[in-house]
Amino acid sequence: DSGVTQTPKHLITATGQRVTLRCSPRSGDLSVYWYQQSLDQGLQFLIQYYNGEERAKGNILERFSAQQFPDLHSELNLSSLELGDSALYFCASSVGGSWETQYFGPGTRLLVL
Amino acid sequence: GDSVTQMEGPVTLSEEAFLTINCTYTATGYPSLFWYVQYPGEGLQLLLKATKADDKGSNKGFEATYRKETTSFHLEKGSVQVSDSAVYFCALSDPAQGAQKLVFGQGTRLTINP
Repeated sequence: DSGVTQTPKHLITATGQRVTLRCSPRSGDLSVYWYQQSLDQGLQFLIQYYNGEERAKGNILERFSAQQFPDLHSELNLSSLELGDSALYFCASSVGGSWETQYFGPGTRLLVL
Repeated sequence: GDSVTQMEGPVTLSEEAFLTINCTYTATGYPSLFWYVQYPGEGLQLLLKATKADDKGSNKGFEATYRKETTSFHLEKGSVQVSDSAVYFCALSDPAQGAQKLVFGQGTRLTINP
């Protein structure tokens, strides 16, 4: 158990819909990262937040957004969903702003029908 | 941009066999290198890491040495067990990119038969 929690574990929805994925980092970790794992694209970095502020952006679509709240939990919002958004979404956390190890949550499996 | 290339899977071995999973990387700066493991139905777990050239990371019988001259970080284990069956990801984190994101290889699925 990494100490990173993600909810829900599974999500099934329809095209065009909007969903919110939630992540709680390890106690004491200030950075949260979101990754997408799909069969065709592999594991790709989406976005990082550090202590409530956006720190870095990767291959995140404009239909997707995220935020980190004062209690340091983070939410990833996916809107206007398409079939191709079906994937495993992982959250990871690390202590802070230097190059520490990232610890991953169990993931949320999203299926768009 | 930075990239990681792993050997194609799947890899199937018998118990107690020697394991090598090749990983090479391309990076702008001097990256840290990682191996993560994903067991069926679970998230990624850090297996080992190395932060500078010639460092050797080790954990649970697995080892990998950071080779700057060959830009490689190959994963090895002398005697694999059925419980090692999983998907293994090589990854890097490059400070030169100004972000702490991990860049992953495509993953190598390992199956160990009794």
